[in-house]
Amino acid sequence: EVQLVESGGGLVKRGGSLRLSCAASGFSFSKVSMTWVRQGPGKGLEWVGHIKSYTDGGTTDYAAPVEGRFTISRDDSKDTLYLQMNSLKTEDTAVYYCILDADYFDSGNFYNVFDLWGRGALVTVSS
Amino acid sequence: DIQMTQSPSSLSASVGDRVTITCRASQGIRTYLNWYQQKPGKAPDLLIFGASNLQSGVPSRFSGSGSGTDFALTISILQPEDFATYYCQQSFSVPRTFGQGTKVDIK
Repeated sequence: EVQLVESGGGLVKRGGSLRLSCAASGFSFSKVSMTWVRQGPGKGLEWVGHIKSYTDGGTTDYAAPVEGRFTISRDDSKDTLYLQMNSLKTEDTAVYYCILDADYFDSGNFYNVFDLWGRGALVTVSS
Repeated sequence: DIQMTQSPSSLSASVGDRVTITCRASQGIRTYLNWYQQKPGKAPDLLIFGASNLQSGVPSRFSGSGSGTDFALTISILQPEDFATYYCQQSFSVPRTFGQGTKVDIK
């Protein structure tokens, strides 16, 4: 079964750190790009960042609100994605989703989509 | 960054209604536009990619249209299981951005 399972969420004080893990199974993890998206309480979806496969350079990109504080990494030997979150702010409180990126082809174009989502991990930052 | 603006933010509709949600990009994104459906307490699901391509397994009452800056998601005959929040998302450039969501609830 293809699935993503996040872990590591919890309650942390403002200024603290937390690391989320995302265990992947049922697909070739090392070949795909992976993304983190978050959703604050009662709010919409916010892209956090992504990491490409090492075949595609292993590069990362981040949203401006987390740049310099969050780091996305991957361990292909463990089929696991990570999100290291430092200098946490109360506005980082959210459910964090781990996502498998996919490229769908149609009419000569490859369209990147958020294909498979984990159930999410809740991170609460207290003041 | 490309800003995505959905309208309306919420709507009330009845089973059997035709519903249209619009999404506008702050700059042209060709057809690099995806739609997701999210039900309470669940992760979102992909409905449409490339502005108009139905994801496998998604009912044909869902359709998408548009290109450039203006897009639409239409549900032709609203079913009880369609009451949810819908998000558009551009995949034209990084950072990826979402619309603010449209909540469809029961009238």
